[in-house]
Amino acid sequence: AQTVTQSQPEMSVQEAETVTLSCTYDTSESNYYLFWYKQPPSRQMILVIRQEAYKQQNATENRFSVNFQKAAKSFSLKISDSQLGDTAMYFCAFVQGGSEKLVFGKGTKLTVNP
Amino acid sequence: NAGVMQNPRHLVRRRGQEARLRCSPMKGHSHVYWYRQLPEEGLKFMVYLQKENIIDESGMPKERFSAEFPKEGPSILRIQQVVRGDSAAYFCASRASGRTLNTEAFFGQGTRLTVV
Repeated sequence: AQTVTQSQPEMSVQEAETVTLSCTYDTSESNYYLFWYKQPPSRQMILVIRQEAYKQQNATENRFSVNFQKAAKSFSLKISDSQLGDTAMYFCAFVQGGSEKLVFGKGTKLTVNP
Repeated sequence: NAGVMQNPRHLVRRRGQEARLRCSPMKGHSHVYWYRQLPEEGLKFMVYLQKENIIDESGMPKERFSAEFPKEGPSILRIQQVVRGDSAAYFCASRASGRTLNTEAFFGQGTRLTVV
């Protein structure tokens, strides 16, 4: 069974600094996709960034980037120049190619301090 | 184009009552997913539906829970005879035909169910 582990229940960072959230996953499949979702207090799930397992290049979206280590099954999220609006729960998620089920980690609560 | 709309946002039910949660997918989307989020947990898959069909309900509890997505109208997640353990946030997501989950799925804001 696929599992996703986020080992940091809570993290905090000062505004304008950089923070990295960790995520590991377990799968025997070779075709899969990884995601980071943001859940602010409004509860809306917002897709932050997506990585395809067959792509070696790490995905980047503005201030958000990932460090995808396929052999280690690691998928960390780096947030640069942190902003107060980045305060939220962050969930790492996985979907096997051809599947219709997202598997989520338990989340990391990130607080950006002024 | 409105996003995925869920209502109500908050629902309080007494033990033994029925809860009906509604999800209107984005315009043109015919694939709907329901997820449950327990306190301090990530989202857990419950069911995947297409118009008038349940495709995968492997995450649904065997009793008291049902889901539908009729030809017309929203998708409904129905919980009969609610118990305290059903208290959670229930999220709906949708995508368009011809797309895949890994490329395009949009979530609603969820319904927080509280059973008292």
